[in-house]
Amino acid sequence: DTGVSQDPRHKITKRGQNVTFRCDPISEHNRLYWYRQTLGQGPEFLTYFQNEAQLEKSRLLSDRFSAERPKGSFSTLEIQRTEQGDSAMYLCASSLPDSNQPQHFGDGTRLSIL
Amino acid sequence: GQQLNQSPQSMFIQEGEDVSMNCTSSSIFNTWLWYKQDPGEGPVLLIALYKAGELTSNGRLTAQFGITRKDSFLNISASIPSDVGIYFCAGHRGNTPLVFGKGTRLSVIA
Repeated sequence: DTGVSQDPRHKITKRGQNVTFRCDPISEHNRLYWYRQTLGQGPEFLTYFQNEAQLEKSRLLSDRFSAERPKGSFSTLEIQRTEQGDSAMYLCASSLPDSNQPQHFGDGTRLSIL
Repeated sequence: GQQLNQSPQSMFIQEGEDVSMNCTSSSIFNTWLWYKQDPGEGPVLLIALYKAGELTSNGRLTAQFGITRKDSFLNISASIPSDVGIYFCAGHRGNTPLVFGKGTRLSVIA
């Protein structure tokens, strides 16, 4: 069990650029979640997948954000035309498919917008 | 987005003291989770609770799922320096998204 892996760990980019983050879940976990965490706050839900199907999206996920999980394994989160307010830690978590199964988190990608 | 009410926001304690923190929600949950987060890392699961009234321990940590299903608490006994960090409660009901508190920042003075 190698845990949830996220790449890159840090990303610094200029406002207006596009960025893409990758998450590799724990291998037997069907569910994959994306969260955003800002300073002094808890993680806030963005979206989740069961296998390759994106089942729910938060209102926080504006149309500049898109997430994919094409083969039901790793996932990518893309932010287009980044804005200052997008600066945050983006966390990925995975779990077994039962809704009672706890989510296990990766170490996140810290995004800084200049 | 919705968040849970977690208290206290921060605590400064002496090494060896016991710690208690709690979390309340306006909604009923059927799962409560407690996580610890160190700087620059993701949250690490400490304890998961699935039944109202359930009391679960993990070493020096004990957590309870409140009878009303709207609250939970976490106790840490005999604190040590490595307990320093931010503790988050989280809960959900059925397939609804996991909702987190704002965290309790724990500092331990040796």
